[in-house]
Amino acid sequence: GAVVSQHPSWVICKSGTSVKIECRSLDFQATTMFWYRQFPKQSLMLMATSNEGSKATYEQGVEKDKFLINHASLTLSTLTVTSAHPEDSSFYICSARGSTGGKNTEAFFGQGTRLTVV
Amino acid sequence: LAKTTQPISMDSYEGQEVNITCSHNNIATNDYITWYQQFPSQGPRFIIQGYKTKVTNEVASLFIPADRKSSTLSLPRVSLSDTAVYYCLVGDWGNAGNMLTFGGGTRLMVKP
Repeated sequence: GAVVSQHPSWVICKSGTSVKIECRSLDFQATTMFWYRQFPKQSLMLMATSNEGSKATYEQGVEKDKFLINHASLTLSTLTVTSAHPEDSSFYICSARGSTGGKNTEAFFGQGTRLTVV
Repeated sequence: LAKTTQPISMDSYEGQEVNITCSHNNIATNDYITWYQQFPSQGPRFIIQGYKTKVTNEVASLFIPADRKSSTLSLPRVSLSDTAVYYCLVGDWGNAGNMLTFGGGTRLMVKP
């Protein structure tokens, strides 16, 4: 299947700093990217959906000024956690969906980023 | 969006066939059914997708009855490495922006 690369795999940062997570589709053009957050033993919670060149659509309860999403190209989306606090510590996962022959493909997921804010 | 309901957990033994059923009573005409597998601290991995009847690939089969209000993921002869959480998603894949919403998933434990 298609490859979605997420970087970094894990990061530890100090409270109050910002952290950027990158999500790249390596062998296809991702028209849509999704960002999720997952707490231990829980399911994935959708944070936002972004289409290339457009502003992201955030889910209810997700602060758009805190979680900045940029989808500047068809192969790259970034999530920046600004002024991180310990409660932002979580597993962040991106997903990318493209299209082939005018038909949308299934979504492929990155390997996730473990963020720990100390 | 169609809501999905799955068993919270299942236990099985190596070599057995495992069937995980997902209920999606309000599935829409354009919705497809997709199953993902997730190991701890990893992103979900696509397993199989279908619209109706039966779909089979090298790792699983997906059975969808005529009314499409449920689906069953079948894993033949599971091994210990199949221990994971399995998620059933229902959505209109023709709409690129259609969000992917995860339900609770089924935690499968395969025992020796």
